Amino acid sequence: EIVLTQSPVTLSLSPGERATLSCRASQSVSNYLTWYQQKPGQAPRLLIYDASNRATGIPARFSGSGSGTDFTLTISSLEPEDFAVYYCQQRGNWRFTFGGGTRVEIK
Amino acid sequence: QLQLQESGPGLVKPSETLSLTCTVSGGSINSNSYFWGWVRQPPGKGLEWIGNINYSGSTYYNPSLKSRVTISVDTSKNQFSLELTSVTAADTAVYYCARLGVLITIFGVDPYGMDVWGQGTTVTVSS
Repeated sequence: EIVLTQSPVTLSLSPGERATLSCRASQSVSNYLTWYQQKPGQAPRLLIYDASNRATGIPARFSGSGSGTDFTLTISSLEPEDFAVYYCQQRGNWRFTFGGGTRVEIK
Repeated sequence: QLQLQESGPGLVKPSETLSLTCTVSGGSINSNSYFWGWVRQPPGKGLEWIGNINYSGSTYYNPSLKSRVTISVDTSKNQFSLELTSVTAADTAVYYCARLGVLITIFGVDPYGMDVWGQGTTVTVSS
């Protein structure tokens, strides 16, 4: 099973600051890496697929990069609604696994 | 606008079978462009993929749950369902149904992301 490790566990930032979230895979997942955002009491929301493609309706301040084992989700300038938990997920051979999540909280 | 809604018992006894249904509205479940599936989230924890199915009944399951899971589809009702047998307290979670977008390529079916989700339903396993 491919294990995804997200860091940091918690990121404390102020609105307007840049957020950089990391996701590392235990073996190469090519570019088959997806990012989701989840707010308390809500279902996850698809942000980025295939490492760098924004999903429909996702603002341009969200961007993804990486390939192989190391991936990054960047939020260029945090808006108040961006404070949430972010999960990465890989889909190798139809076996989906999620990372443990990074909480982006208001500093 | 496509919407998904989970339904089913909120309380299941240990060793019994958990059964949930997801009703799709605002669109058809009959599409080559999507699979349909389930993800769960134990209280205070992260997300766990359970499995997916398409309109013709092709399924993919999480290997760690495969022996206990069955996902089925009823295209006449625009619904798909989850059955999880022999439940324990470890199966207590919020269960989400979701639409999984797929791309048909020369290499096969390529799932790219779960783009529409239900609101989730809490299932507690307890006697």
